[in-house]
Amino acid sequence: ETGVTQSPTHLIKTRGQQVTLRCSSQSGHNTVSWYQQALGQGPQFIFQYYREEENGRGNFPPRFSGLQFPNYSSELNVNALELDDSALYLCASNPPRGTQYFGPGTRLLVL
Amino acid sequence: ELKVEQNPLFLSMQEGKNYTIYCNYSTTSDRLYWYRQDPGKSLESLFVLLSNGAVKQEGRLMASLDTKARLSTLHITAAVHDLSATYFCAVDSGGSNYKLTFGKGTLLTVNP
Repeated sequence: ETGVTQSPTHLIKTRGQQVTLRCSSQSGHNTVSWYQQALGQGPQFIFQYYREEENGRGNFPPRFSGLQFPNYSSELNVNALELDDSALYLCASNPPRGTQYFGPGTRLLVL
Repeated sequence: ELKVEQNPLFLSMQEGKNYTIYCNYSTTSDRLYWYRQDPGKSLESLFVLLSNGAVKQEGRLMASLDTKARLSTLHITAAVHDLSATYFCAVDSGGSNYKLTFGKGTLLTVNP
């Protein structure tokens, strides 16, 4: 039990739609990172938020965006979904200078 | 751009045997992580290696880090079926900020 939860667990969308994935971290975890894991691949860093500001971004287009809220929850939004967006989306959080913990993930299927 | 390469990508072992998974990375970093992932599950942290020469052991798994060679190893001793999983190494490109670059993973199958 890592204390990091994600919702929903599974989601099916069609191309062109928009999706919002949610993550809830432990109190004090002011850094949250999002990763995309395609089937059979390692996770890829999407972006990180620290104290509600974006703090680094991987090689993902602007249609991937995020928010972090003062209550240690965060969102990943993806617009104009493409088939290749089908993946497991993982959030991970950590306190300052502390250990990072991963959530259970949201599996997104785009048809 | 930081690249992380693991080998082998697939490993089939017999119970009781020993083997090593290798993780090479392309740029200087002194923070390396090993994770385990069971099918359909999230990532479980195994080891955090923070300095050159670091060695950590937990049960039948031992991880080491050589920052000069940009190489980490995960050694499996006397494998058991319960170790069957995918193992990932990851390197932190952002200092202590957990902006991790992962390898492709090693799918380990331990056969009776």
